[in-house]
Amino acid sequence: DAGVIQSPRHEVTEMGQEVTLRCKPISGHDYLFWYRQTMMRGLELLIYFNNNVPIDDSGMPEDRFSAKMPNASFSTLKIQPSEPRDSAVYFCASSLTLDRAKEKLFFGSGTQLSVL
Amino acid sequence: AQSVTQPDIHITVSEGASLELRCNYSYGATPYLFWYVQSPGQGLQLLLKYFSGDTLVQGIKGFEAEFKRSQSSFNLRKPSVHWSDAAEYFCAVGLSGGYNKLIFGAGTRLAVHP
Repeated sequence: DAGVIQSPRHEVTEMGQEVTLRCKPISGHDYLFWYRQTMMRGLELLIYFNNNVPIDDSGMPEDRFSAKMPNASFSTLKIQPSEPRDSAVYFCASSLTLDRAKEKLFFGSGTQLSVL
Repeated sequence: AQSVTQPDIHITVSEGASLELRCNYSYGATPYLFWYVQSPGQGLQLLLKYFSGDTLVQGIKGFEAEFKRSQSSFNLRKPSVHWSDAAEYFCAVGLSGGYNKLIFGAGTRLAVHP
């Protein structure tokens, strides 16, 4: 398996523009997570899905952020409108069902977002 | 509230030296504990995990960690560091009770001198 695939690897945009980050989880994984990593706040869980359904979005910073998972092999994280403080590395991760608290996460390589 | 503390932001060691990265957690129930490593430009990779049983767990790349309940610690160790170990290391606690939500520490960045 190719692992968790994220695109793009780098995104540079101007304030106010819409940004869409994409993720393809590992086939067969029922859980998908979006994390954000910044120097100030470290790794933060934004939202996670189980079987394509959003379960916990309490980490989504504000209404400008939205995430979807239209099918088991694809998810998007959208920021509209983007702001400079959204600049961060955004990671997607997936895991098998099993014992969820114990199951390890498989991370993608991340999307480095810079909002100018 | 659950939390994970990694007291050392940066650590520098010489190649071949031993390494210990500290991790303390705050969690009322039995914790599930993890160490992840992040190489530059890469996602996080699991090094090892502790759920129950033997408090000394072995991981990949020659790493091990010891769970000490009395100290609420889960320190990561390696007897001899290689230059390729330079990376950022994250300790995390998994919350029991239903879903795979990890609370990560702030990370420790390891530099290795030749």
